[in-house]
Amino acid sequence: KQEVTQIPAALSVPEGENLVLNCSFTDSAIYNLQWFRQDPGKGLTSLLLIQSSQREQTSGRLNASLDKSSGRSTLYIAASQPGDSATYLCAVKYTGNQFYFGTGTSLTVIP
Amino acid sequence: DVKVTQSSRYLVKRTGEKVFLECVQDMDHENMFWYRQDPGLGLRLIYFSYDVKMKEKGDIPEGYSVSREKKERFSLILESASTNQTSMYLCASSHRATSSGNTIYFGEGSWLTVV
Repeated sequence: KQEVTQIPAALSVPEGENLVLNCSFTDSAIYNLQWFRQDPGKGLTSLLLIQSSQREQTSGRLNASLDKSSGRSTLYIAASQPGDSATYLCAVKYTGNQFYFGTGTSLTVIP
Repeated sequence: DVKVTQSSRYLVKRTGEKVFLECVQDMDHENMFWYRQDPGLGLRLIYFSYDVKMKEKGDIPEGYSVSREKKERFSLILESASTNQTSMYLCASSHRATSSGNTIYFGEGSWLTVV
């Protein structure tokens, strides 16, 4: 079974700080990697998708990078805001139909 | 706008009841998934379907069954609900993996409480 790990499980930062969330995976032969945001009691909303041939993707204050050789992806959030408070999950896709999810990092941005 | 719709957001059922959770997607996706999400355990795949009438067991299929009679609809069935099935259930869909841009879309989730 493919393993996807997110550390830390929880993170608390003051507003305005830049922060990095981590995602590690055991098998480097990935198809793509996706970052999601989940608000309490809600479904997952896709933030960024990095294809296997890409090194990074950017959307507004978010930047996701991918290093397949080391089995790592990072999600960088610039100038954090209280509205960024949520759980962030990464999902790895290999060939085949399944997606493999990390357990998420719960982010709290303190005003 | 892409959409995965779960028909029930909140349900309370009694132990032993048969429970149906319905999911509909409007993106003509071949693949559909049912996950459950519990604190500390993350998302766990119950079943997925890659075509009409086709299904495959995920990591935790025990106590569940599924039905996919039409491409856009995927139902999760709890034959005899038990308290340990109290959870958040998430439906998702995606195209078949023909490109590395293949992404997965989620519904809003269904909170099931079994008493």
